[in-house]
Amino acid sequence: ILNVEQSPQSLHVQEGDSTNFTCSFPSSNFYALHWYRWETAKSPEALFVMTLNGDEKKKGRISATLNTKEGYSYLYIKGSQPEDSATYLCAPRGRRALTFGSGTRLQVQP
Amino acid sequence: DAGITQSPRYKITETGRQVTLMCHQTWSHSYMFWYRQDLGHGLRLIYYSAAADITDKGEVPDGYVVSRSKTENFPLTLESATRSQTSVYFCASSESRTSGRPQETQYFGPGTRLLVL
Repeated sequence: ILNVEQSPQSLHVQEGDSTNFTCSFPSSNFYALHWYRWETAKSPEALFVMTLNGDEKKKGRISATLNTKEGYSYLYIKGSQPEDSATYLCAPRGRRALTFGSGTRLQVQP
Repeated sequence: DAGITQSPRYKITETGRQVTLMCHQTWSHSYMFWYRQDLGHGLRLIYYSAAADITDKGEVPDGYVVSRSKTENFPLTLESATRSQTSVYFCASSESRTSGRPQETQYFGPGTRLLVL
């Protein structure tokens, strides 16, 4: 079981703002880093899976970076839209399974 | 294309009763997982299974039993339900035909909301 911390816990931004969240995890016993997007009343959906130090992934306005040596990942959203409102979970993969952080809840006001 | 389904979606039960939550996937994924969602803890792993007849404990297995006689089904049983088991339960699966590759994405079911009175 890995100790995973996500910050901030919640975030309120205006439409058009860019924002970023942090995921911190132990850098040892680490095999991959997963990001999931979880909308209210729905199921978590995969955003990115990252495995290499310095890895960077992008999907539309959302991107993520990974630093395996120091044990953190950033998720960026450029020009937030109301439909980006969701909880964003990170989950490092240890030896056996994923350990999910408690998430960053993003609300984008129109 | 059903994907991954859970039943029931909502369940109310009483303390001490046995409850079984069902999970079914149509993808023939090797790995299946059970999580519970708790405020302040996010998703916590209860049990997982690498294949039929292979199961292993997760972070919070106490009070739960699982089985996997068929690849597509992974039921979770609360042997004697307690109020602390009130939660939303999510089942997930991932492909990982070989020994679980860490980059395999997990696909989640819609969840079962359980209330133990």
